[in-house]
Amino acid sequence: AQTVTQSQPEMSVQEAETVTLSCTYDTSENNYYLFWYKQPPSRQMILVIRQEAYKQQNATENRFSVNFQKAAKSFSLKISDSQLGDTAMYFCAFTTNTGNQFYFGTGTSLTVIP
Amino acid sequence: NAGVTQTPKFRILKIGQSMTLQCTQDMNHNYMYWYRQDPGMGLKLIYYSVGAGITDKGEVPNGYNVSRSTTEDFPLRLELAAPSQTSVYFCASRVDRVAYEQYFGPGTRLTVT
Repeated sequence: AQTVTQSQPEMSVQEAETVTLSCTYDTSENNYYLFWYKQPPSRQMILVIRQEAYKQQNATENRFSVNFQKAAKSFSLKISDSQLGDTAMYFCAFTTNTGNQFYFGTGTSLTVIP
Repeated sequence: NAGVTQTPKFRILKIGQSMTLQCTQDMNHNYMYWYRQDPGMGLKLIYYSVGAGITDKGEVPNGYNVSRSTTEDFPLRLELAAPSQTSVYFCASRVDRVAYEQYFGPGTRLTVT
């Protein structure tokens, strides 16, 4: 069975600072895909960043980057230069190579403080 | 493109009533998904479809049914609504490619009382 764990229910960060959100997962698959989604108060789910397990290089999208540790089954999200618009729930998600089923963590509520 | 649309946005049901949540996408995606999100929780997969005429159960299918007669539409049917089905329901679709990014609808907030 696949599981995704986010152990930080809530976090806060000062504007312009850097914050890291944690995610661990469990799978017996060798090839899979990991995602971070953002859900602002509007409820719309927005893809932040994705990582393919066969790629050793960590994914980066502007101020967002990941630290992917395959052996440790860890997939953390780093947000640099935090902005007020980053305030949202962040969900870590996982899917196997078939992409038929997706598994989500319970989320981390991030508040950016002015 | 409208993307993924869901109707209704909000609904209140009485225990034992039935209803259908509508989901339509105009991106010609073969893969479509239904999730529920309970308060303070992540998304749980209810059902998914890999193409017209093909559906399968996810993690939490009990109390729900789906059909997929066209590529565009993927309705979710609730039979005999129960308070445990109070949740926000999201529909999503994705391209076939390995990238696997999902596009989500705006969600339907359902309350069963």
